[in-house]
Amino acid sequence: ETGVTQSPTHLIKTRGQQVTLRCSSQSGHNTVSWYQQALGQGPQFIFQYYREEENGRGNFPPRFSGLQFPNYSSELNVNALELDDSALYLCASSPWGLAGGRNEQFFGPGTRLTVL
Amino acid sequence: GQQLNQSPQSMFIQEGEDVSMNCTSSSIFNTWLWYKQDPGEGPVLLIALYKAGELTSNGRLTAQFGITRKDSFLNISASIPSDVGIYFCAGASSGSARQLTFGSGTQLTVLP
Repeated sequence: ETGVTQSPTHLIKTRGQQVTLRCSSQSGHNTVSWYQQALGQGPQFIFQYYREEENGRGNFPPRFSGLQFPNYSSELNVNALELDDSALYLCASSPWGLAGGRNEQFFGPGTRLTVL
Repeated sequence: GQQLNQSPQSMFIQEGEDVSMNCTSSSIFNTWLWYKQDPGEGPVLLIALYKAGELTSNGRLTAQFGITRKDSFLNISASIPSDVGIYFCAGASSGSARQLTFGSGTQLTVLP
């Protein structure tokens, strides 16, 4: 069973640029959530995708957007990068959607984004 | 953003000692999860709790879901060097897209 994978591992961008991060969910998982983890903090929920639609969003501006594909993989896009966007971006997959069930989420290794 | 109150922030213990850490929230959760994160990696799920009062073990780890549904604790018995890392609690509420709200973490250092 393949776990959650993310790419790239590290990324350096400059302020104002745009970035796309990718995530492949664990086999059998249909729900993907994205989190931002600043240094020394716990992860903060950005949004969740289920059946290719956004299913909940945290306190992040619209320049954070995402996609989910039919194979359940997902992308996180961030436009107009700001210095404060520098963080570890984590993707988590889970096997349950809106039909009830458990809340266990399994995380990938993350993408370290540095904005200069 | 909202975070749970997790304590202690850091702990230095001797190998073989027991460890206890806890999380409290002003909101009710119907799920409590405990994760461990090593440097440069994503959080790894340790224990999941789904019922108030539930006590669940995973090897040397034991976690409990508080009766009020606003707190949880994690105990590690007979600590070993590989227990070093950051431990996070996370809660989820029903009807909230199952988003996880995380604590700020407990940094555990095990001294030989």
